[in-house]
Amino acid sequence: GAVVSQHPSWVICKSGTSVKIECRSLDFQATTMFWYRQFPKQSLMLMATSNEGSKATYEQGVEKDKFLINHASLTLSTLTVTSAHPEDSSFYICSASITGTSLYQPQHFGDGTRLSIL
Amino acid sequence: DQQVKQNSPSLSVQEGRISILNCDYTNSMFDYFLWYKKYPAEGPTFLISISSIKDKNEDGRFTVFLNKSAKHLSLHIVPSQPGDSAVYFCAARLGFGNEKLTFGTGTRLTIIP
Repeated sequence: GAVVSQHPSWVICKSGTSVKIECRSLDFQATTMFWYRQFPKQSLMLMATSNEGSKATYEQGVEKDKFLINHASLTLSTLTVTSAHPEDSSFYICSASITGTSLYQPQHFGDGTRLSIL
Repeated sequence: DQQVKQNSPSLSVQEGRISILNCDYTNSMFDYFLWYKKYPAEGPTFLISISSIKDKNEDGRFTVFLNKSAKHLSLHIVPSQPGDSAVYFCAARLGFGNEKLTFGTGTRLTIIP
């Protein structure tokens, strides 16, 4: 089945640090990847849609200058949390789906990144 | 505005019995519905989906039922196994060409041995 790899799985860093999270589709090409955020005991909230070769589309209320997204290839998207502060601490998850097929393909998720800002 | 709702935050079921997880939605434009299973500190794992033009889809122990008139779907797991203990999310897609998913708040299923 489709595999999405996310790295790192856990990050602890000081306030003011920028943190980069990578999301890779290992065995398929993904024109579109998605970045979600999950607070404890809450649902997954879509932050942005990452499109290969173009600018990401951010959801309402998500600061694009705070959460930089780059989708440089069909298998890699990165999320950089710039100048992270304690309120940015959360569980970040990416997803991707196989594109270019006539059948509906569900999104497959990475294992997430636990970000803790001290 | 929560367009996809899972009103039961938790559910406990005896091993071997049927688990029924429910999900309600408000947007009639959703065209695909999905169920994901999630363990702590891991990403969601896709379980099963259903198109809005169908009312039932079955895959092994998992069956999803869709009642469009009631804007309600349910996931049946039978027989329930201890490994099914996890948080289950339903999600909905807004239509072809719009791959964004809207997630429910999740139901924590505990299977009692």
